[in-house]
Amino acid sequence: NAGVTQTPKFQVLKTGQSMTLQCAQDMNHNSMYWYRQDPGMGLRLIYYSASEGTTDKGEVPNGYNVSRLNKREFSLRLESAAPSQTSVYFCASMKGNSYEQYFGPGTRLTVT
Amino acid sequence: QKEVEQNSGPLSVPEGAIASLNCTYSDRGSQSFFWYRQYSGKSPELIMFIYSNGDKEDGRFTAQLNKASQYVSLLIRDSQPSDSATYLCAVNLGGSYIPTFGRGTSLIVHP
Repeated sequence: NAGVTQTPKFQVLKTGQSMTLQCAQDMNHNSMYWYRQDPGMGLRLIYYSASEGTTDKGEVPNGYNVSRLNKREFSLRLESAAPSQTSVYFCASMKGNSYEQYFGPGTRLTVT
Repeated sequence: QKEVEQNSGPLSVPEGAIASLNCTYSDRGSQSFFWYRQYSGKSPELIMFIYSNGDKEDGRFTAQLNKASQYVSLLIRDSQPSDSATYLCAVNLGGSYIPTFGRGTSLIVHP
């Protein structure tokens, strides 16, 4: 099992460019999450998907969109990147109703 | 407004000592508590979880819950330099489906 995978690992964007961060899990988990992590701020939830076909906003959704493509895949899109979106982005999935989360390796995004 | 609080540290302990990490939470109705370890440049990894029915021990790690004072602790016995990392506390506040993370405590174990 690969667990949770994310692509790309690193990305540099110019202000105003768009991109999609990809996430996939092979653990048959229903719930998936997107977080950003900034120094001193901990993990902040951007969007989550409790099950295939549903998505909901988290703490910091502005400037982002998501798509739950199927049970395995959950993508995060930046339509017009801003320097404030420079961060490390983590995707996670949750095991059943246990609330145990499993994280992908992260994407380090820099917006100049 | 964060409702799960952790001292950012760093907490520095000598090798072989007990490291004690604490996390306070705001909602008395919370029942699920998690500890994640995050090495520098890596993703968080779940290492311990407890529910409201008591403490838990797993090898050198013990998670303890004090519901009256609303805090949860992680004890690491016989600390090793490889335990040096940031430890994130997560709580399902009030039984929420979504966990809330603290900002993490940096632990340094020096030889």
